[in-house]
Amino acid sequence: GENVEQHPSTLSVQEGDSAVIKCTYSDSASNYFPWYKQELGKRPQLIIDIRSNVGEKKDQRIAVTLNKTAKHFSLHITETQPEDSAVYFCAASIGEYGNKLVFGAGTILRVKS
Amino acid sequence: GAVVSQHPSRVICKSGTSVKIECRSLDFQATTMFWYRQFPKQSLMLMATSNEGSKATYEQGVEKDKFLINHASLTLSTLTVTSAHPEDSSFYICSAIDRESEQYFGPGTRLTVT
Repeated sequence: GENVEQHPSTLSVQEGDSAVIKCTYSDSASNYFPWYKQELGKRPQLIIDIRSNVGEKKDQRIAVTLNKTAKHFSLHITETQPEDSAVYFCAASIGEYGNKLVFGAGTILRVKS
Repeated sequence: GAVVSQHPSRVICKSGTSVKIECRSLDFQATTMFWYRQFPKQSLMLMATSNEGSKATYEQGVEKDKFLINHASLTLSTLTVTSAHPEDSSFYICSAIDRESEQYFGPGTRLTVT
């Protein structure tokens, strides 16, 4: 089955610096790759996603890149702010209809002011 | 964006009892909902896919007789944890898919079994 690996497990950056989180997946049939931000005790919030027909997508300070050949995708956050501190999860779609998600282990991001 | 609710948000029950958790899509119809479990400081693990009008499909290692799922309408799926034990204590989160195939998560239910 699909296996999604996420690195690093923790990441500390100074406010204003960039943060990069990387994920790899194993199932070449996966075609949808969302990223979620989760604060303690709260639901995961979708922050950006990318489908397999594009290689990059950007939304203000957040961008995602996808390399289907290498089966890896990355989250880039620029000009980090303290409120970006949270746990970030990547996911990859699986299943007959491509609507089930397998999540990475998560990255704890701490932005120090 | 679409709204998914869960009830209750927190529940404490005694070992051996059953607990029902509801997941509702408030402003859209969802033929498919998912149930996840998240242990402290861990990722979300998919437990099962809930399909309106048909039986749920369970992921490998998830006991279907212990985690009963009923998707009785296009806006409601329920998860019943039967004969709960302390090891079932976890954060249970549902999600629902809208017409655009986007997945929306509920706020989660914190289950503590004493």
